[in-house]
Amino acid sequence: RKEVEQDPGPFNVPEGATVAFNCTYSNSASQSFFWYRQDCRKEPKLLMSVYSSGNEDGRFTAQLNRASQYISLLIRDSKLSDSATYLCVVNSATNAGKSTFGDGTTLTVKP
Amino acid sequence: DAGITQSPRYKITETGRQVTLMCHQTWSHSYMFWYRQDLGHGLRLIYYSAAADITDKGEVPDGYVVSRSKTENFPLTLESATRSQTSVYFCASSESQAGGYEQYFGPGTRLTVT
Repeated sequence: RKEVEQDPGPFNVPEGATVAFNCTYSNSASQSFFWYRQDCRKEPKLLMSVYSSGNEDGRFTAQLNRASQYISLLIRDSKLSDSATYLCVVNSATNAGKSTFGDGTTLTVKP
Repeated sequence: DAGITQSPRYKITETGRQVTLMCHQTWSHSYMFWYRQDLGHGLRLIYYSAAADITDKGEVPDGYVVSRSKTENFPLTLESATRSQTSVYFCASSESQAGGYEQYFGPGTRLTVT
């Protein structure tokens, strides 16, 4: 089993739709969590950190469920520019500088 | 504000040749990482470094060598390139921050081994 697993996708949604991605992790002692965005094999860029209390940034909401060991990303009112691959990232508790990346979920927003 | 740079951006080499990919960051971040990304796989960690002169293996280290004599540089060497090492290579750096360790990525090097 992979340390970090994501919805396989791809997700194809119309503009304006709400879409949610889930990501599960296997190490219950994991310390910190992130969502990254990657466009067309360019470098990944941080989208948002994920906090225990949940956090929101405009149309994006991230949630963490430590009991069930998953994180989620909700995108409301999807835009064409949201089309990308979204990577779930989990940091080790024993080596806080080392991250494990999920394989990513591809989102295509269509007009 | 250069951030993190990689060179070369594109490289074609022949099987058996040695090739070095360069990574340079201007933030004085403690941590640096090398990943490879292949179709059908996510980012896979090759090597990482917690500080100058401290390196450790990641998930797929075989066939690669790293060094970190200076905080800002983290070169990755393929000692004898093989076709299976054709990939996109990303370097990243991070520093401890409240809330976790955000990683900043370079633009990547596309390596083709013929």
